Amino acid sequence: EIVVTQSPDTLSLSPGERATLSCRASQTVTSNYLAWYHQKPGQAPRLLIYGASSRATGIPDRFSGSGSGTDFTLTISRLEPEDFAVYYCQFYGSSPYTFGQGTKLEIK
Amino acid sequence: QVQLVESGGGLVTPGGSLRLSCTASGFTFTDYYMNWIRQAPGKGLEWLSYISGSGSTNYYADSVKGRFTISRDNAKNSLYLQMNNLRAEDTAVYYCAGAYQGYMHFDPWGQGTLVTVSS
Repeated sequence: EIVVTQSPDTLSLSPGERATLSCRASQTVTSNYLAWYHQKPGQAPRLLIYGASSRATGIPDRFSGSGSGTDFTLTISRLEPEDFAVYYCQFYGSSPYTFGQGTKLEIK
Repeated sequence: QVQLVESGGGLVTPGGSLRLSCTASGFTFTDYYMNWIRQAPGKGLEWLSYISGSGSTNYYADSVKGRFTISRDNAKNSLYLQMNNLRAEDTAVYYCAGAYQGYMHFDPWGQGTLVTVSS
């Protein structure tokens, strides 16, 4: 089973700033089967990025994903107020499809 | 529009059973592997199970294997999760989520249904 670890646990930034979130897998992620979601309080998660770098439908281009192998990054170029949420990465190369523990992006 | 709606959550005593349902609309249900994912209060996401579009293949996380059963009725655009021998640690919001043609990144998601296991 691949273990996925996110860092940092909490990231405090201001609107307009750039956010960089990290996700590390315990083994090589084949075919870059790595996704990112965000979740706002009381809501279901929403898919942002799949295949490590492909934006899901309707996701603004300020969100970008990068990385390969075991290290992946989600970058939000300029934070909007609605971006403050919890972010999860997820490995989906083979079952079980594990999620990271989450990074809380909070307003500074 | 694309929508998943879960139902069937509630309060159940330890050792009891519950059946969750998820009804899909706005997309071709059989094109999607369907999944159950849960989130304990204040915690992260845990994938539990998937079932293929035809219903012929399924898989479970170790935490629920032998206790939970996933099924689907494609004629009704519905997904189910039969949960038996429930434990306090099964308390969570349960989400159904689709994975197009088995590419297991999840979109769409339902709004979730809360299951509480307590005496």
